[in-house]
Formats: sequence, structure tokens, C-alpha cells
Amino acid sequence: QSVLTQPPSVSAAPGQKVTISCSGSSSNIGNNYVSWYQQLPGTAPKLLIYENNKRPSGIPDRFSGSKSGTSATLGITGLQTGDEADYYCGTWDSSLSAGEFGGGTKLTVL
Amino acid sequence: QLQLQESGPGLVKPSETLSLTCTVSGGSISSSSYYWGWIRQPPGKGLEWIGSIYYSGSTYYNPSLKSRVTISVDTSKNQFSLKLSSVTAADTAVYYCARRSSILRFLEWWDYWGQGTLVTVSS
Repeated sequence: QSVLTQPPSVSAAPGQKVTISCSGSSSNIGNNYVSWYQQLPGTAPKLLIYENNKRPSGIPDRFSGSKSGTSATLGITGLQTGDEADYYCGTWDSSLSAGEFGGGTKLTVL
Repeated sequence: QLQLQESGPGLVKPSETLSLTCTVSGGSISSSSYYWGWIRQPPGKGLEWIGSIYYSGSTYYNPSLKSRVTISVDTSKNQFSLKLSSVTAADTAVYYCARRSSILRFLEWWDYWGQGTLVTVSS
């Protein structure tokens, strides 16, 4: 069971917007930066967001990240069928001196 | 372009030691800017952080695995390795190696990943 809590699934129609939450504590999200990953079926995870809200080169601005207190949120606008994937948040835990991932959220584009 | 490639046995017997190697190409594992690590994913489940290593040999491990895990680095071969002892069926997973693009503890993010290798624990 992950220390970082994500909803198991979210869904929305093509062209719409969706948000995925990641809830933690002061030892992880509250005092460290958050990253987000997209995992398409059968492939390795891909970095979408780092340092809470920065996008690597090549990631469209339809993807955004934010953090407030001990929670973080991934936003995806203009949903496309190709966005159907599992999404994971990640961060460092200062108490454990270890990295952590959320349990993952499956996005369905209806 | 940086590439990471996992290699090792795809089948390990229960109670034995799982050993994997990650070969880094297109960049130096001895760079002072990065950590290198292992992440696994049991079939149909989420990602689990295993541990990370700096080129100097400094390591961090998942507390739940710490007693069984060893991560080492061979800078001469541009490789780092994972050993997981006393494996059980619960250790069956796709194992990924990846680059952590910061040496600062509070900046945890992985920007380059290997394709992953499935390791099955079974007799």
C-alpha cells in the first residue's frame, strides 16, 4: 500500500479536462518536490512533470502540475484517446530517506 | 541520447538471489549530477521504489527491502547493479533501471528509464 494516495481511476470525454490528485504528508509531499509519470500499456513510465510544475522538453502544455501543502495535482486538458494510460506521482520521503510513488491512476478517455 | 538497458536472468528460484545489471550508454555514470536507481512493478500493480546509488557508491534503499537489497556501481563498465536476496513469488515484477536527475534529496524525479525486464520467481 502506497504512502501517496491517488484515485484508482478517472475518466472524461475527449477534449475535456481531468485532474488527478496525489495526497501525502509533511514528510513527503509537504517538504519535497513532486513529479508525475505517464505509463502507456506495455511501456516504461515517462516523466511528465518535475519539480511540482515543470515540463520536460517535448511534453505538451496540455499537461500541468501543481502542489499545495501535502497534496499535488496533475491536470490534463484537451484530452485525447492517446492519453489513456496509468499516471503516477512520485516524491522523496525525508523521514524514510527513500523515494515513493503513488498507487497510480488509470485514465480512461471515453 | 542517453539509454539504459537492463539485463539478467528472467527466472529465479525461490530463496535465491535476483541479480540485474543496468548498462548506461550515451552518457557517463560517473557524472556528479545524477543518481541511478531501480524501480519495480509487479504484474498489474503500481511502481515500487527500490533504491538509488551515486557514482561514488553512496546509496539509499527502500526500508521495506533494505535487509535484502544491494545496489552497486561499476564506473569502469558504466554499469550499476541490483541484487535482491531470498526472493519469493512476491518479488516477481518488471524491474526498471532509471536516472534520477538530481543529487538533492528533495528533488526526486526520474527522467530516463530502461525498457524494463520481467523477472519471475518460480521453482
